Amino acid sequence: GAVVSQHPSRVICKSGTSVKIECRSLDFQATTMFWYRQFPKQSLMLMATSNEGSKATYEQGVEKDKFLINHASLTLSTLTVTSAHPEDSSFYICSATPGGGTEAFFGQGTRLTVV
Amino acid sequence: RKEVEQDPGPFNVPEGATVAFNCTYSNSASQSFFWYRQDCRKEPKLLMSVYSSGNEDGRFTAQLNRASQYISLLIRDSKLSDSATYLCVVDSSASKIIFGSGTRLSIRP
Repeated sequence: GAVVSQHPSRVICKSGTSVKIECRSLDFQATTMFWYRQFPKQSLMLMATSNEGSKATYEQGVEKDKFLINHASLTLSTLTVTSAHPEDSSFYICSATPGGGTEAFFGQGTRLTVV
Repeated sequence: RKEVEQDPGPFNVPEGATVAFNCTYSNSASQSFFWYRQDCRKEPKLLMSVYSSGNEDGRFTAQLNRASQYISLLIRDSKLSDSATYLCVVDSSASKIIFGSGTRLSIRP
């Protein structure tokens, strides 16, 4: 199946700093990628839809100025958590679907801990 | 109302039992439906797609009821390795994939 690579897998940062998470589609082009957040014992919550070459679409309640998304190429989307706070600590995961397909492929996820 | 709703469980059943999960969705225009499995601290992985005619893959059977807007997953002869969280996933439009809250399943020896 298709491969989506996410980096880093784990990051610990200080409160107030920014963290960038990368999501790459390794063997297909993805005009759209999705970013999710998952708190412990909860399901994945869609944060935003990343669109190549245009602005991301954010879900209600997700601050676009805090969670900056850049999708500058057909194989890379980045999520930057700006001025991170402990409540931003979570599991962030991206997904993409190859063109013409229906199955979503996920990155390995990034476990962010803000101290 | 959530777009996709699932019973969170947990379901705790003995090995060899049959267990079934349901998932309801609110958008009648939804086209694609899936069951994903997520192990603790791992990314979700596709278990099976769900087709209108229903489909079976070994011990797993998935069904779609468009009239009532729900999908189901049946696991027969459950194994210890089936313990996981099962996520109902609905492609509500061409560009939006929505997850249910997940149903936790625990198989005991």
